Amino acid sequence: QKEVEQNSGPLSVPEGAIASLNCTYSDRGSQSFFWYRQYSGKSPELIMFIYSNGDKEDGRFTAQLNKASQYVSLLIRDSQPSDSATYLCAVNTGNQFYFGTGTSLTVIP
Amino acid sequence: SQTIHQWPATLVQPVGSPLSLECTVEGTSNPNLYWYRQAAGRGLQLLFYSVGIGQISSEVPQNLSASRPQDRQFILSSKKLLLSDSGFYLCALFTGTGLFFGSGTQLSVL
Repeated sequence: QKEVEQNSGPLSVPEGAIASLNCTYSDRGSQSFFWYRQYSGKSPELIMFIYSNGDKEDGRFTAQLNKASQYVSLLIRDSQPSDSATYLCAVNTGNQFYFGTGTSLTVIP
Repeated sequence: SQTIHQWPATLVQPVGSPLSLECTVEGTSNPNLYWYRQAAGRGLQLLFYSVGIGQISSEVPQNLSASRPQDRQFILSSKKLLLSDSGFYLCALFTGTGLFFGSGTQLSVL
């Protein structure tokens, strides 16, 4: 399977701070990129997707993509305790979607 | 809107027993469907995907198999479960903007 690498963490940030999550991928043919949030024992939920180089903002979330460096990141502004979860990076090539192992985020009140 | 039905939510099976997990979707036609497994503390492993009836692509050699007998039905099976088959099994469909997951089945093989 294609490689998708994430720092497993745990990452801890205080409430109101910016959380920065990073992901690298091995397949230069990857076409689109996704960030999912997964609470313990639950299925992943899509937060954002990005196709083009640069930044994409949606509320408190910003996804950043650099295809030359094969790097995608997620910034969470004004982090809230409810953001505490595991964040999964996923890449898409053709019909296949490959996931990283996830980064555990804890937001401390 | 699209809906995925997965059942049961939890399942405990002895080693060597068979397995059949069913996933049905509503609100879409001819979807791309996926089976993933998530072992404890691990990421999602793509097991199978299907782009249409009878069309199955396998990602990882294992003792699991998949079938798609109907457009909106995707079945994961095993003839004999192994301890290593324990995990959280998720069915997903491609919505055009990403994968949408069902609620999953937590399988424990003892």
